[in-house]
Amino acid sequence: GAVVSQHPSWVICKSGTSVKIECRSLDFQATTMFWYRQFPKQSLMLMATSNEGSKATYEQGVEKDKFLINHASLTLSTLTVTSAHPEDSSFYICSAKAGEGWSYNEQFFGPGTRLTVL
Amino acid sequence: SQQGEEDPQALSIQEGENATMNCSYKTSINNLQWYRQNSGRGLVHLILIRSNEREKHSGRLRVTLDTSKKSSSLLITASRAADTASYFCATDASGGGNKLTFGTGTQLKVEL
Repeated sequence: GAVVSQHPSWVICKSGTSVKIECRSLDFQATTMFWYRQFPKQSLMLMATSNEGSKATYEQGVEKDKFLINHASLTLSTLTVTSAHPEDSSFYICSAKAGEGWSYNEQFFGPGTRLTVL
Repeated sequence: SQQGEEDPQALSIQEGENATMNCSYKTSINNLQWYRQNSGRGLVHLILIRSNEREKHSGRLRVTLDTSKKSSSLLITASRAADTASYFCATDASGGGNKLTFGTGTQLKVEL
């Protein structure tokens, strides 16, 4: 099966600092990756869609200058939370959509990254 | 986009009983998927049902889809304590670029 990893699995940072989260597809090439945010006891909310080699598409209400997404290769997308504040504390989950050879609609989810901003 | 809704929000049953969760959504869809999430962990894909399918089975799981009512149900038969988790439906909307919209989730607790 297709495996998606995230690094780090958890991170604690001080308010005002930036944090980078990596999402990697380990055994397939991901033409598209998605970034979600999940607050405690809530559902996943899509933040942005990341396509390899092009700019990310952000959902309404998500600040693109605060949540920088880079999809530099077919196996790696990064989310950088800039100038993090306590309200950015959340569980961030990525998913990767496989390209040719896989079911068109199939997405594979990473294990998530828990961000705590002090 | 607006999230779908699931009910019940929380469900507590005894081991061996069946658990049924319902999901309603608002748009036309390509498919609907069900996921499980253990506390603080990532998502586990359970089953995908396409818009032209009405029922699908996988082990102890049975999923139904009624596109006229824009609703789906997930039935877990002969539940086990290990089934304790949150369950989410997610819709892949027609023309939505394969973006998934997640429901609000059902927290299932299976007691011994």
